[in-house]
Amino acid sequence: QKEVEQNSGPLSVPEGAIASLNCTYSDRVSQSFFWYRQYSGKSPELIMSIYSNGDKEDGRFTAQLNKASQYVSLLIRDSQPSDSATYLCAVNPNAGKSTFGDGTTLTVKP
Amino acid sequence: DADVTQTPRNRITKTGKRIMLECSQTKGHDRMYWYRQDPGLGLRLIYYSFDVKDINKGEISDGYSVSRQAQAKFSLSLESAIPNQTALYFCATSDSGTPGPEKLFFGSGTQLSVL
Repeated sequence: QKEVEQNSGPLSVPEGAIASLNCTYSDRVSQSFFWYRQYSGKSPELIMSIYSNGDKEDGRFTAQLNKASQYVSLLIRDSQPSDSATYLCAVNPNAGKSTFGDGTTLTVKP
Repeated sequence: DADVTQTPRNRITKTGKRIMLECSQTKGHDRMYWYRQDPGLGLRLIYYSFDVKDINKGEISDGYSVSRQAQAKFSLSLESAIPNQTALYFCATSDSGTPGPEKLFFGSGTQLSVL
């Protein structure tokens, strides 16, 4: 079992819809959780971080964490074509050592 | 702007050659990392350094070595390159002194091709 698993893509949603990206992790002692966005040919950039159970909202993005279920998700509301990218889930069980999932590629169709 | 700079951006080399990828940062961060990304896959950690005197192996360190020449510089070497080391390499930094989750800041990447 991989340490960090993401739902296999690609994921395609129409413009204006909600995109839902999911991630599960195996290490129960994980403390911090991150979502990075990576455009094709570019470097990953952080869009959300979360470390407490529940929801965290930032603009159109909501991260959800359920440590009991070892589950992290990212919701993108009112999806835009500019949101088309690969989204990487990262888990940080030890300070500074993030482990990444394989990513889910999202396409938002106009 | 404070930044993470990788050189070169692209490199083509032959099997058996020794090559070095360089990373420098002006963010003042203490921690630096080298990751590798293969098509369709996430990032895998090669080596990481929490300060100048601290070097640690990641999950895929075989065939690689690193040097932390200064707090701002962290280089990755392939002693004898092989084709399956063809990948996109990212350097990243983080700041252990910043409150909250420790996020990574990435360089632009080096695309390495080993023929």
